[in-house]
Amino acid sequence: DQQVKQNSPSLSVQEGRISILNCDYTNSMFDYFLWYKKYPAEGPTFLISISSIKDKNEDGRFTVFLNKSAKHLSLHIVPSQPGDSAVYFCAARDDKIIFGKGTRLHILP
Amino acid sequence: NAGVTQTPKFQVLKTGQSMTLQCAQDMNHNSMYWYRQDPGMGLRLIYYSASEGTTDKGEVPNGYNVSRLNKREFSLRLESAAPSQTSVYFCASSLLAGSYNEQFFGPGTRLTVL
Repeated sequence: DQQVKQNSPSLSVQEGRISILNCDYTNSMFDYFLWYKKYPAEGPTFLISISSIKDKNEDGRFTVFLNKSAKHLSLHIVPSQPGDSAVYFCAARDDKIIFGKGTRLHILP
Repeated sequence: NAGVTQTPKFQVLKTGQSMTLQCAQDMNHNSMYWYRQDPGMGLRLIYYSASEGTTDKGEVPNGYNVSRLNKREFSLRLESAAPSQTSVYFCASSLLAGSYNEQFFGPGTRLTVL
């Protein structure tokens, strides 16, 4: 039973436009959420996080929104750049981190 | 700072063979983790070590053993490899095991079991 769900396996976005990656979760005990980015043949790298007591966290072009009542979070990338093409993993933790299956983002020229 | 290093980068085993995947970190982190990544499955936690001297099972521990050799090193052993263990294995570390500590990942070991 998946506790962290990324329902879109892939997403294509035009360069310069907004990329929105979505993530749903089922466990209301999760108190911290993270996004990781992964390039081929490399390990995941931490991108941005948000505590369950907040509804928004921003870092440069990246913003994460948390809607606790809907058990939903999203990652916004504005503007999208070619280097943003990667797999993005949503993750959530109670005592351990649980990862989603990932969404592959393609930034189109 | 090398961060998290893993050896080997690639390995091919025959069914029933054994091997140990090595992981080391130079960030003075207390907690270390082993994950596997399979197509369409995301990252799944195999074992973790919250601090030196402790290890705990994760989501998919069967068929694996771990050793926290010291604060820097955390190894993963396959005693009798099976084709179902074909995967990419990632080691990670974090300062502490608590909620607000991001994990730093190594580059991965791609393992094929024939």
